Amino acid sequence: VQLVESGGGLVQPGRSLRLSCAASGFPFDNYAMHWVRQAPGKGLEWVSGISFNSARIGYADSVKGRFTISRDNANNALFLQMNSLRGEDSAFYYCVKSEIFAEPASHLDNWGRGALVTVSS
Amino acid sequence: DIVMTQSPDSLAVSLGERATINCRSSQSVLYSSNNKNYLSWYQQKPGQPPKLLIYWASTRESGVPDRFSGSGSGTDFTLTISSLQAEDVAVYYCQQYYATPQTFGQGTKVEI
Repeated sequence: VQLVESGGGLVQPGRSLRLSCAASGFPFDNYAMHWVRQAPGKGLEWVSGISFNSARIGYADSVKGRFTISRDNANNALFLQMNSLRGEDSAFYYCVKSEIFAEPASHLDNWGRGALVTVSS
Repeated sequence: DIVMTQSPDSLAVSLGERATINCRSSQSVLYSSNNKNYLSWYQQKPGQPPKLLIYWASTRESGVPDRFSGSGSGTDFTLTISSLQAEDVAVYYCQQYYATPQTFGQGTKVEI
């Protein structure tokens, strides 16, 4: 399993950024995917999840209405569109795989190395 | 949201000694339909992403040394490292995946 994030960088408050995750080594269209973030030196925060077929999507309250998760199963890719970015969104964003995204769900079994997003003027 | 609280925030253990980390959830993560606890443990070493250690509260992920064990049910859980090795220095997180949003404990730093 390989998960490789891209698209991070420095962005001004209020602007947008789109993260991508390239997945390989497993049947991408059979598995749920998530974004989990971690501010430097801080703990882990689940951001968003999407089921294998995009039928179920969920967000943390802190990003609801600003972030949009999506996936392209034909190209084994996961995305996170981040709009109206704030300083508190600065973090490493990890692309993470799990068996299912439901309620209840399943554990997060494979993590990418993360992409750093810095929101600052 | 389900709040996950770990204790202690940090601990120092001698090499070869036992390390115990506790995790409490604000509501039960035991699913009555299958009698499974929707609780996992992750290890994060400096500069690395988290790594899954334990899921269903007590099932060790493939490749994880058997000195790592998980126990507990309902709202109270424990991660035990039976004989601490130098490579176990890390921050450990518990996580519930019973309800959305999935939530993590604040982390416990384990040092020698």
